[in-house]
Amino acid sequence: DAGVTQSPTHLIKTRGQQVTLRCSPISGHKSVSWYQQVLGQGPQFIFQYYEKEERGRGNFPDRFSARQFPNYSSELNVNALLLGDSALYLCASSPRTGKGGYGYTFGSGTRLTVV
Amino acid sequence: GESVGLHLPTLSVQEGDNSIINCAYSNSASDYFIWYKQESGKGPQFIIDIRSNMDKRQGQRVTVLLNKTVKHLSLQIAATQPGDSAVYFCAENRGANNNDMRFGAGTRLTVKP
Repeated sequence: DAGVTQSPTHLIKTRGQQVTLRCSPISGHKSVSWYQQVLGQGPQFIFQYYEKEERGRGNFPDRFSARQFPNYSSELNVNALLLGDSALYLCASSPRTGKGGYGYTFGSGTRLTVV
Repeated sequence: GESVGLHLPTLSVQEGDNSIINCAYSNSASDYFIWYKQESGKGPQFIIDIRSNMDKRQGQRVTVLLNKTVKHLSLQIAATQPGDSAVYFCAENRGANNNDMRFGAGTRLTVKP
């Protein structure tokens, strides 16, 4: 079975540009969460979507937005990129919301560099 | 503020020795904790979890200990192998859902042959 798939794997953007990152969850998983991981730090929660509805939002500016499609895949959009947005963006999928680390599976991430 | 953190940023051990990675948390209301392993170029991988109604949980070569009195969590890896070299994170799952996973800064474990 395919795991969580993220695209692209690497991306270089210029300050002020916009970027869209994509995530395909594990088949059967209905929940997708997005995290930002700055180099040398732990992942920081950005969004969770379940059944196409936003179920949680972390402490990120409105430049960050996301959506989930009927097939449960998801996109993360970041507008007006800043140098500080350079990070590894991780997507995690799970069968549903509710506590449980087991079954909460991360993709390998998209490395975004803003220059 | 409330946070999940780690005592040591790096840990170096000899192959075959046991490893202990520590984590402190400050939110006394937290009731669920997870340890993740992250290898270079990959996303975090689930290792083991523990709920606050337990003090200890064992997996294959790994044990997690929870001390709620001092708000401390540890991950013990038995007979550490080169493949265990990675960054290890503890995460605190707050709230009723898994939509607010708080990660610590991580500990880099290096296994020397």
